[in-house]
Amino acid sequence: SFVLTQPPSLSVAPGQTASLPCGGDDIGSKSVHWYQQRSGQAPRLVMYYDSDRPSGIPQRFSGSNSGNTATLTISRVEAEDEADYYCQVWDGSSDHPVILGGGTKLTVL
Amino acid sequence: EVQLVQSGPEVKKPGEALKISCQGSGYIFTTHWIAWVRQTPGQGLEWVGIVSPGDLDIRYSPSFTGRVTISADTSRNTAYLMWDTLTSADSGTYYCARLRKDAYSYADQWGQGTLVTVSS
Repeated sequence: SFVLTQPPSLSVAPGQTASLPCGGDDIGSKSVHWYQQRSGQAPRLVMYYDSDRPSGIPQRFSGSNSGNTATLTISRVEAEDEADYYCQVWDGSSDHPVILGGGTKLTVL
Repeated sequence: EVQLVQSGPEVKKPGEALKISCQGSGYIFTTHWIAWVRQTPGQGLEWVGIVSPGDLDIRYSPSFTGRVTISADTSRNTAYLMWDTLTSADSGTYYCARLRKDAYSYADQWGQGTLVTVSS
């Protein structure tokens, strides 16, 4: 089955750029979605179809997907961006269509 | 406004049964999947299973197959996650999420979560 790999943690200083990778075999041929989960809160969608932002998500968030890596990029990182981030793909032909990455804990120093 | 409202926290003993719910509003319930996702303390999100309320297409994660049952009642716009026999390993926060029905589905709305505690 398809596996998504994320680094467990990443640290960045305020104002810098955070690049969160999500690896998978030929993931560039799939559509990747991203969720943010702040401490004590439910997850929320921050990026869909690789690079589309839902309404209400700051323009500082962007996404890309090519080859074996999809990336969520957060520019000008702020303290409120500290959260866990999960990538996800859908395999509708499978009995197990929801595929989630293990998540990356983003720490704002 | 689209909303998913989940039932309240539960405290159960090992061996007991449990049913938690997720009620959708603000949209046509049968046009989207409902997924269940578990989170244990300090751990990531785990997909439990998914139901299509309109045709009751139900699929389970291999890790949860045989351990839980998912269902949906379209007359109540509600999806359910059920256990016949709880163990301490079932403790965690369970989220429901609405997934679009398309070729590259994603969760565009999440419930607030239901905390399940199983302890003797």
